[in-house]
Amino acid sequence: DAGVTQSPTHLIKTRGQQVTLRCSPKSGHDTVSWYQQALGQGPQFIFQYYEEEERQRGNFPDRFSGHQFPNYSSELNVNALLLGDSALYLCASSLRGRGGTTEAFFGQGTRLTVV
Amino acid sequence: AQRVTQPEKLLSVFKGAPVELKCNYSYSGSPELFWYVQYSRQRLQLLLRHISRESIKGFTADLNKGETSFHLKKPFAQEEDSAMYYCALSLYNFNKFYFGSGTKLNVKP
Repeated sequence: DAGVTQSPTHLIKTRGQQVTLRCSPKSGHDTVSWYQQALGQGPQFIFQYYEEEERQRGNFPDRFSGHQFPNYSSELNVNALLLGDSALYLCASSLRGRGGTTEAFFGQGTRLTVV
Repeated sequence: AQRVTQPEKLLSVFKGAPVELKCNYSYSGSPELFWYVQYSRQRLQLLLRHISRESIKGFTADLNKGETSFHLKKPFAQEEDSAMYYCALSLYNFNKFYFGSGTKLNVKP
């Protein structure tokens, strides 16, 4: 099991462009959460997907959107990139069950640089 | 609003010394508290969860609701404990974590 995999590992974009980041959850997991980690800060929750729907959202503008596919993989899209969007984007997967959600596993992240 | 504070950005100790990484939180309800660790060039991974009340790699953490704290402790630090440590709060299981800004622990030989 490769665990949570994210692609690409690094990305450089220009202000105003759009970007798509991808995440494959750990085998058996059905829930994907996305976090933004700016330099020197802890991860900040962007949103969570379960059953192909956005279930929870953090304090991020509508420029940040996502999608979850039937195979549970997920994409994070950011439109009209700003310099301040430069950060490490982390994906975390978990499994929802009747007793609650299992431990969340994190990917290695995608380092996005906006120039 | 929920907030997690880790007052120390960097903590340096010698091998064999006790370690305490501080974490304070603000939330009026009953949150779940976690410690995550990130070793060099590795991904973020769960170290401790308060409801499990386990000792992992010699680390323990006690939730003090009166002081709204969840400090991480180890009686004798090892060089392999050097890493970035994040305290996190969740309102429901592993959903929607609120992370602190992290403390870098450096254990010197």
